[in-house]
Amino acid sequence: AQSVSQHNHHVILSEAASLELGCNYSYGGTVNLFWYVQYPGQHLQLLLKYFSGDPLVKGIKGFEAEFIKSKFSFNLRKPSVQWSDTAEYFCAAETGGYNKLIFGAGTRLAVHP
Amino acid sequence: ETGVTQSPTHLIKTRGQQVTLRCSSQSGHNTVSWYQQALGQGPQFIFQYYREEENGRGNFPPRFSGLQFPNYSSELNVNALELDDSALYLCASSLVDRGADGYTFGSGTRLTVV
Repeated sequence: AQSVSQHNHHVILSEAASLELGCNYSYGGTVNLFWYVQYPGQHLQLLLKYFSGDPLVKGIKGFEAEFIKSKFSFNLRKPSVQWSDTAEYFCAAETGGYNKLIFGAGTRLAVHP
Repeated sequence: ETGVTQSPTHLIKTRGQQVTLRCSSQSGHNTVSWYQQALGQGPQFIFQYYREEENGRGNFPPRFSGLQFPNYSSELNVNALELDDSALYLCASSLVDRGADGYTFGSGTRLTVV
């Protein structure tokens, strides 16, 4: 079955630390990949997406992600986090049909000043 | 600010009851998808509506049903509520030919079943 796995459920960092959140998907065909952020009490917001082309994609708020097809991975990175990055982050995959997304379980990030 | 509006924001129901959740899609969008986000989990696809018909369904029982109206707004109905139905229910609108690209999510309805 198609699935998305996020390696870390909780991450705690200090401001200015670097961030990398892992994401792996299980699907052998063409896949579109997304990272969403959910701030407390707010709606899911798209950080970035990968459909094809350059495997290094840049998104909003200084985030970037790298698609590595051989590893079925799409890890999210940010060189220097801020307190305002405290939120929950979801990796998601669209594998065609019904235009639906398959989400990972999410990673809750806490950034301490 | 999101163009997708969900109502109500919170509600509490008793096991066995029925509930209706509502979603107004973003202007110009013709597709509405519903997701269930249980505590500590990622959203799970329930179903999608396009042209007032179900256009795909996830692994949810038939007591989860929906409607889409001519103005593209949508309802999610859940019958015979169970305790495990307690979750945040998210609605996302989009254009059918863009797939999940262009999804706009609402802030959700928090359902508690007691």
